[in-house]
Amino acid sequence: SQQGEEDPQALSIQEGENATMNCSYKTSINNLQWYRQNSGRGLVHLILIRSNEREKHSGRLRVTLDTSKKSSSLLITASRAADTASYFCATVPSGGSYIPTFGRGTSLIVHP
Amino acid sequence: DGGITQSPKYLFRKEGQNVTLSCEQNLNHDAMYWYRQDPGQGLRLIYYSQIVNDFQKGDIAEGYSVSREKKESFPLTVTSAQKNPTAFYLCASSIGIDGSTDTQYFGPGTRLTVL
Repeated sequence: SQQGEEDPQALSIQEGENATMNCSYKTSINNLQWYRQNSGRGLVHLILIRSNEREKHSGRLRVTLDTSKKSSSLLITASRAADTASYFCATVPSGGSYIPTFGRGTSLIVHP
Repeated sequence: DGGITQSPKYLFRKEGQNVTLSCEQNLNHDAMYWYRQDPGQGLRLIYYSQIVNDFQKGDIAEGYSVSREKKESFPLTVTSAQKNPTAFYLCASSIGIDGSTDTQYFGPGTRLTVL
Protein backbone atom coordinates (compact mmCIF):
# COMPACT_ATOMS: atom_id res chain seq x y z
CA SER A 1 0.00 0.00 0.00
CA GLN A 2 1.25 3.48 -0.83
CA GLN A 3 0.59 5.93 1.93
CA GLY A 4 2.49 8.97 0.72
CA GLU A 5 1.21 10.55 -2.47
CA GLU A 6 3.21 13.27 -4.19
CA ASP A 7 1.76 16.22 -6.03
CA PRO A 8 2.24 17.25 -8.76
CA GLN A 9 3.11 14.10 -10.71
CA ALA A 10 5.28 16.15 -13.05
CA LEU A 11 6.86 19.59 -12.81
CA SER A 12 8.75 21.50 -15.50
CA ILE A 13 10.62 24.71 -14.64
CA GLN A 14 13.48 26.91 -15.80
CA GLU A 15 16.88 26.98 -14.16
CA GLY A 16 16.97 29.44 -11.31
CA GLU A 17 13.31 29.01 -10.40
CA ASN A 18 12.14 27.32 -7.22
CA ALA A 19 10.51 23.90 -7.32
CA THR A 20 7.90 22.86 -4.78
CA MET A 21 6.47 19.37 -4.46
CA ASN A 22 4.02 18.09 -1.90
CA CYS A 23 3.36 14.81 -0.15
CA SER A 24 0.14 13.82 1.59
CA TYR A 25 -0.32 10.79 3.80
CA LYS A 26 -3.10 9.11 5.74
CA THR A 27 -1.92 7.64 9.05
CA SER A 28 0.28 8.79 11.92
CA ILE A 29 3.97 8.83 11.20
CA ASN A 30 7.22 8.52 13.11
CA ASN A 31 9.09 10.39 10.39
CA LEU A 32 8.90 11.36 6.74
CA GLN A 33 11.79 11.17 4.30
CA TRP A 34 12.48 12.57 0.86
CA TYR A 35 14.54 10.72 -1.72
CA ARG A 36 15.79 11.56 -5.18
CA GLN A 37 16.13 9.16 -8.12
CA ASN A 38 17.96 9.92 -11.31
CA SER A 39 16.69 8.03 -14.34
CA GLY A 40 17.56 4.34 -14.18
CA ARG A 41 19.43 4.65 -10.89
CA GLY A 42 18.87 3.87 -7.23
CA LEU A 43 17.33 6.30 -4.77
CA VAL A 44 19.40 8.72 -2.76
CA HIS A 45 18.28 9.95 0.65
CA LEU A 46 17.88 13.73 0.86
CA ILE A 47 16.38 14.62 4.19
CA LEU A 48 14.44 13.13 7.12
CA ILE A 49 11.97 15.10 9.23
CA ARG A 50 10.51 13.67 12.43
CA SER A 51 6.90 14.03 13.51
CA ASN A 52 7.81 16.58 16.21
CA GLU A 53 9.67 18.80 13.74
CA ARG A 54 8.08 21.41 11.50
CA GLU A 55 10.88 22.46 9.19
CA LYS A 56 14.36 21.29 8.15
CA HIS A 57 16.94 22.69 5.80
CA SER A 58 19.79 21.10 3.90
CA GLY A 59 21.63 23.30 1.45
CA ARG A 60 19.09 24.39 -1.19
CA LEU A 61 16.46 22.03 0.20
CA ARG A 62 13.74 23.03 2.64
CA VAL A 63 11.25 20.50 3.98
CA THR A 64 8.17 21.32 6.00
CA LEU A 65 5.85 18.98 7.85
CA ASP A 66 2.29 19.70 8.97
CA THR A 67 1.06 16.72 10.96
CA SER A 68 -2.38 18.28 11.45
CA LYS A 69 -2.88 18.29 7.69
CA LYS A 70 -0.85 15.11 7.19
CA SER A 71 1.27 16.76 4.54
CA SER A 72 4.84 17.69 3.76
CA SER A 73 6.48 19.83 1.14
CA LEU A 74 9.92 19.82 -0.43
CA LEU A 75 11.23 23.12 -1.77
CA ILE A 76 14.31 23.24 -3.99
CA THR A 77 15.53 26.81 -4.32
CA ALA A 78 17.43 28.21 -7.31
CA SER A 79 17.07 24.98 -9.23
CA ARG A 80 19.72 23.70 -11.61
CA ALA A 81 19.53 21.40 -14.62
CA ALA A 82 21.30 18.78 -12.47
CA ASP A 83 18.26 18.73 -10.16
CA THR A 84 16.31 16.98 -12.92
CA ALA A 85 15.15 13.73 -11.31
CA SER A 86 12.20 12.05 -9.65
CA TYR A 87 11.53 12.89 -6.03
CA PHE A 88 9.81 10.50 -3.64
CA CYS A 89 8.46 10.90 -0.17
CA ALA A 90 8.55 7.93 2.19
CA THR A 91 6.50 7.76 5.36
CA VAL A 92 7.56 5.68 8.35
CA PRO A 93 4.53 4.77 10.48
CA SER A 94 4.48 5.29 14.21
CA GLY A 95 4.02 2.41 16.64
CA GLY A 96 4.35 -0.25 14.02
CA SER A 97 6.75 -1.90 11.67
CA TYR A 98 8.80 1.26 10.94
CA ILE A 99 9.02 0.13 7.31
CA PRO A 100 8.97 3.16 4.97
CA THR A 101 6.16 3.37 2.42
CA PHE A 102 7.02 5.23 -0.78
CA GLY A 103 4.75 7.38 -2.92
CA ARG A 104 4.67 7.42 -6.73
CA GLY A 105 7.00 10.39 -6.98
CA THR A 106 7.18 13.78 -8.67
CA SER A 107 9.13 13.97 -11.92
CA LEU A 108 11.03 17.26 -12.02
CA ILE A 109 12.55 18.64 -15.21
CA VAL A 110 14.72 21.74 -14.96
CA HIS A 111 15.40 23.38 -18.31
CA PRO A 112 18.78 25.10 -18.73
CA ASP B 1 34.25 2.26 -0.59
CA GLY B 2 31.17 1.58 1.49
CA GLY B 3 27.88 0.92 -0.21
CA ILE B 4 25.43 -1.48 -1.77
CA THR B 5 26.08 -3.34 -4.97
CA GLN B 6 23.57 -5.11 -7.14
CA SER B 7 24.28 -7.45 -10.00
CA PRO B 8 23.68 -7.83 -12.79
CA LYS B 9 22.61 -4.38 -14.00
CA TYR B 10 20.49 -5.91 -16.77
CA LEU B 11 19.00 -9.38 -16.78
CA PHE B 12 16.98 -11.18 -19.40
CA ARG B 13 14.90 -14.20 -18.57
CA LYS B 14 12.84 -16.60 -20.58
CA GLU B 15 9.38 -17.41 -19.37
CA GLY B 16 9.39 -20.33 -16.95
CA GLN B 17 12.90 -19.69 -15.64
CA ASN B 18 13.92 -18.74 -12.14
CA VAL B 19 16.53 -16.00 -11.82
CA THR B 20 18.44 -14.71 -8.82
CA LEU B 21 19.36 -11.07 -8.28
CA SER B 22 22.35 -10.33 -6.11
CA CYS B 23 22.55 -7.66 -3.40
CA GLU B 24 25.61 -7.10 -1.22
CA GLN B 25 26.34 -4.37 1.34
CA ASN B 26 29.45 -3.52 3.33
CA LEU B 27 27.81 -0.89 5.53
CA ASN B 28 27.40 -3.32 8.45
CA HIS B 29 23.65 -2.72 8.33
CA ASP B 30 21.29 -5.14 10.01
CA ALA B 31 18.23 -4.46 7.83
CA MET B 32 17.92 -5.12 4.12
CA TYR B 33 15.03 -4.70 1.70
CA TRP B 34 13.92 -5.57 -1.81
CA TYR B 35 11.64 -3.27 -3.79
CA ARG B 36 10.05 -3.49 -7.20
CA GLN B 37 9.54 -0.36 -9.32
CA ASP B 38 7.33 -0.25 -12.40
CA PRO B 39 7.31 2.69 -14.85
CA GLY B 40 5.72 5.78 -13.33
CA GLN B 41 5.15 3.97 -10.06
CA GLY B 42 6.55 4.20 -6.61
CA LEU B 43 8.47 1.46 -4.86
CA ARG B 44 6.62 -1.61 -3.68
CA LEU B 45 8.13 -3.74 -0.92
CA ILE B 46 8.76 -7.39 -1.79
CA TYR B 47 10.66 -8.71 1.24
CA TYR B 48 12.69 -7.33 4.11
CA SER B 49 15.07 -8.75 6.67
CA GLN B 50 15.93 -7.29 10.06
CA ILE B 51 18.56 -9.82 11.00
CA VAL B 52 20.47 -12.79 9.63
CA ASN B 53 18.36 -15.91 9.08
CA ASP B 54 15.11 -13.97 9.36
CA PHE B 55 12.99 -12.23 6.74
CA GLN B 56 9.42 -11.03 6.33
CA LYS B 57 7.06 -10.72 3.38
CA GLY B 58 6.27 -7.28 2.10
CA ASP B 59 3.25 -6.14 0.08
CA ILE B 60 3.98 -8.15 -3.08
CA ALA B 61 5.93 -11.27 -2.03
CA GLU B 62 4.06 -13.76 -4.23
CA GLY B 63 6.36 -15.31 -6.84
CA TYR B 64 9.53 -14.19 -5.06
CA SER B 65 11.84 -15.78 -2.50
CA VAL B 66 14.82 -14.55 -0.48
CA SER B 67 17.49 -15.79 1.89
CA ARG B 68 19.65 -14.05 4.49
CA GLU B 69 22.44 -16.42 5.38
CA LYS B 70 25.01 -13.63 5.81
CA LYS B 71 24.64 -10.10 7.11
CA GLU B 72 26.14 -8.68 3.93
CA SER B 73 24.00 -10.54 1.42
CA PHE B 74 20.28 -10.63 0.61
CA PRO B 75 19.66 -12.34 -2.75
CA LEU B 76 16.25 -12.26 -4.39
CA THR B 77 14.96 -15.10 -6.56
CA VAL B 78 12.25 -14.32 -9.07
CA THR B 79 10.46 -17.58 -9.66
CA SER B 80 8.42 -18.75 -12.61
CA ALA B 81 5.35 -18.24 -10.43
CA GLN B 82 5.75 -14.47 -10.70
CA LYS B 83 3.34 -13.63 -13.50
CA ASN B 84 4.70 -10.26 -14.55
CA PRO B 85 8.33 -10.01 -13.45
CA THR B 86 9.56 -7.39 -15.92
CA ALA B 87 10.49 -4.44 -13.70
CA PHE B 88 13.31 -2.50 -12.06
CA TYR B 89 14.43 -4.13 -8.81
CA LEU B 90 16.04 -2.12 -6.03
CA CYS B 91 17.83 -3.40 -2.97
CA ALA B 92 18.29 -1.20 0.08
CA SER B 93 19.71 -1.40 3.58
CA SER B 94 19.40 0.53 6.83
CA ILE B 95 21.15 0.39 10.19
CA GLY B 96 18.05 -1.13 11.71
CA ILE B 97 14.28 -0.89 11.80
CA ASP B 98 13.41 0.87 15.03
CA GLY B 99 12.08 4.31 14.17
CA SER B 100 15.39 6.04 14.77
CA THR B 101 17.63 4.55 12.11
CA ASP B 102 15.33 4.30 9.14
CA THR B 103 17.31 6.09 6.44
CA GLN B 104 17.68 3.68 3.56
CA TYR B 105 20.70 3.31 1.32
CA PHE B 106 19.93 2.00 -2.15
CA GLY B 107 21.86 -0.02 -4.67
CA PRO B 108 21.95 0.96 -8.37
CA GLY B 109 19.19 -1.50 -9.32
CA THR B 110 18.72 -4.47 -11.66
CA ARG B 111 16.46 -4.19 -14.68
CA LEU B 112 14.83 -7.55 -15.36
CA THR B 113 13.17 -8.24 -18.69
CA VAL B 114 11.23 -11.37 -19.48
CA LEU B 115 11.48 -12.37 -23.12
